Amino acid sequence: AQTVTQSQPEMSVQEAETVTLSCTYDTSESDYYLFWYKQPPSRQMILVIRQEAYKQQNATENRFSVNFQKAAKSFSLKISDSQLGDAAMYFCAYRSESGSEKLVFGKGTKLTVNP
Amino acid sequence: DAGITQSPRHKVTETGTPVTLRCHQTENHRYMYWYRQDPGHGLRLIHYSYGVKDTDKGEVSDGYSVSRSKTEDFLLTLESATSSQTSVYFCAISESGSRRTPLHFGNGTRLTVT
Repeated sequence: AQTVTQSQPEMSVQEAETVTLSCTYDTSESDYYLFWYKQPPSRQMILVIRQEAYKQQNATENRFSVNFQKAAKSFSLKISDSQLGDAAMYFCAYRSESGSEKLVFGKGTKLTVNP
Repeated sequence: DAGITQSPRHKVTETGTPVTLRCHQTENHRYMYWYRQDPGHGLRLIHYSYGVKDTDKGEVSDGYSVSRSKTEDFLLTLESATSSQTSVYFCAISESGSRRTPLHFGNGTRLTVT
């Protein structure tokens, strides 16, 4: 079964600085998709970024980018120019291309942004 | 906004009572999901549906049942609520059957079983 590990329960960053959140996963599959979701105090789950395993190029969305290392099974999220509104729980998630229907989540990293 | 409405937003109930949570979507998407979120566990799949009257179990389905009689509604029922089912419940939809399509989530229902 696939597992997703977020080794940093909490992280903090100064406003305008850069922070990287770690995520590793375990799978024997070659085709899959990886996601980062953000959950602010409002409780809503918001998609931040998506990566297809077959793509070597790292995904980027404005200030958010990933470092996808398929061989190492690593999928870290980099937030540049951090803003107060980035403060939230961040969840890494894995989805198989052909196996289980479920989206497998890590336990989350709580990000605090200090002014 | 993916047009997902969960009701109720909050609910407190007693052990042993039945509880039904509702998820309503306005987009007629085929795939719908129920997840629960607990501290230290992230989100875990309870049940999902791939069409009207087509449902399947997720990884934590014991004690839960679901029904989908209309495309737009997906109901989650706790037949006899227990304290271990105190959680935040999220409904999600997928805009297509492709696994690359991200799930969009509702705002969640906080359920407390006393």
